Amino acid sequence: QKEVEQNSGPLSVPEGAIASLNCTYSDRGSQSFFWYRQYSGKSPELIMFIYSNGDKEDGRFTAQLNKASQYVSLLIRDSQPSDSATYLCAVNGGTGGFKTIFGAGTRLFVKA
Amino acid sequence: KAGVTQTPRYLIKTRGQQVTLSCSPISGHRSVSWYQQTPGQGLQFLFEYFSETQRNKGNFPGRFSGRQFSNSRSEMNVSTLELGDSALYLCASSRSAGLSYEQYFGPGTRLTVT
Repeated sequence: QKEVEQNSGPLSVPEGAIASLNCTYSDRGSQSFFWYRQYSGKSPELIMFIYSNGDKEDGRFTAQLNKASQYVSLLIRDSQPSDSATYLCAVNGGTGGFKTIFGAGTRLFVKA
Repeated sequence: KAGVTQTPRYLIKTRGQQVTLSCSPISGHRSVSWYQQTPGQGLQFLFEYFSETQRNKGNFPGRFSGRQFSNSRSEMNVSTLELGDSALYLCASSRSAGLSYEQYFGPGTRLTVT
């Protein structure tokens, strides 16, 4: 079992729809959770950081964390073609210490 | 303000050689982390430095090392290069302030080992 699992996709959604990206993690002691967006050929950029159970909203992005079920999700409302990218989930602070573990990423394609 | 800078941007080395990569963080950021990204393994954490001290280390062999200077600039070194070390090496600088956290990646150094 991978430590951080994501569906590799591609996830295809029409413009204006809600894109839902999911991530599960194996280390129950994990404390910090991150979502990154990476465009092809570019560096990752941090779009969401969450550490408490529940929802965190930032603009069109909402991160949802459920520690009991060990999953963190990212919702993108009103998806735009410019949201087409790979989204990486990362987890930090588990039994292995504060070394960040990344998922393999989910490719999102937003159709105009 | 200036972003995270990395030098060099591209590098070609031969097996057995060593290489040093440099990262300059955003002004005011005292934490610098290094990552390796490959198509096969994805993005992997190498180590993190804060105030010149290595705070965390990933699961890489001892050939991978780093350091941070008093101005927060950081270097990573890979000795005895192997073909499998060919990758994009990314550094990121970050700052925590209360409950908020900001992190920015540099453009990366593309290392090719032949």
